[in-house]
Amino acid sequence: GAVVSQHPSWVICKSGTSVKIECRSLDFQATTMFWYRQFPKQSLMLMATSNEGSKATYEQGVEKDKFLINHASLTLSTLTVTSAHPEDSSFYICSAGSPNNQETQYFGPGTRLLVL
Amino acid sequence: AQSVTQLGSHVSVSEGALVLLRCNYSSSVPPYLFWYVQYPNQGLQLLLKYTSAATLVKGINGFEAEFKKSETSFHLTKPSAHMSDAAEYFCAVSGSGGNKLTFGTGTQLKVEL
Repeated sequence: GAVVSQHPSWVICKSGTSVKIECRSLDFQATTMFWYRQFPKQSLMLMATSNEGSKATYEQGVEKDKFLINHASLTLSTLTVTSAHPEDSSFYICSAGSPNNQETQYFGPGTRLLVL
Repeated sequence: AQSVTQLGSHVSVSEGALVLLRCNYSSSVPPYLFWYVQYPNQGLQLLLKYTSAATLVKGINGFEAEFKKSETSFHLTKPSAHMSDAAEYFCAVSGSGGNKLTFGTGTQLKVEL
């Protein structure tokens, strides 16, 4: 149980284009989902917290207009990187909050984004 | 506010030897503490968590960690390392009752024959 998937697992795009990443909780409903980015050999940095049916809460320094987050249902959250640039290249990881205990998050396998 | 410090970005042990990965935390509220493991190009897997119950927490794959409030530490140990334990390990903290995780910078564990 408690499986979180991400799609795609990797994506290469041209500078200026937009990329959408999906995060799904496969066998449970997640009121809250989280989006992280991880640079090579570094830790995870929380980008935003997304609650189903409401606007995402972005961390300081994260551009909400550039990283659009939608949490349309209890099993799906999407992150859209708009007008991507090479500096947006990173490993993006989502997690879903456990419905049983607030402190537990289940992580997806991540999406590797390379912007050329 | 919470923060986590992981001492040692790289730790190398021999197969069969004790694994000790250090984590110190800072928190203005009673903390919840976590250890996650990440294999290359994969997401994070929860090893164990402390949520104010027993101070010695046992997790998966033979790992355990002890919460020491006086030392603000939550070090991860395993009595005998296995080659499959080679991975990146992250310590994380959240405020009790909260769900926002703050991660440490990670420790790369290498297991040698």
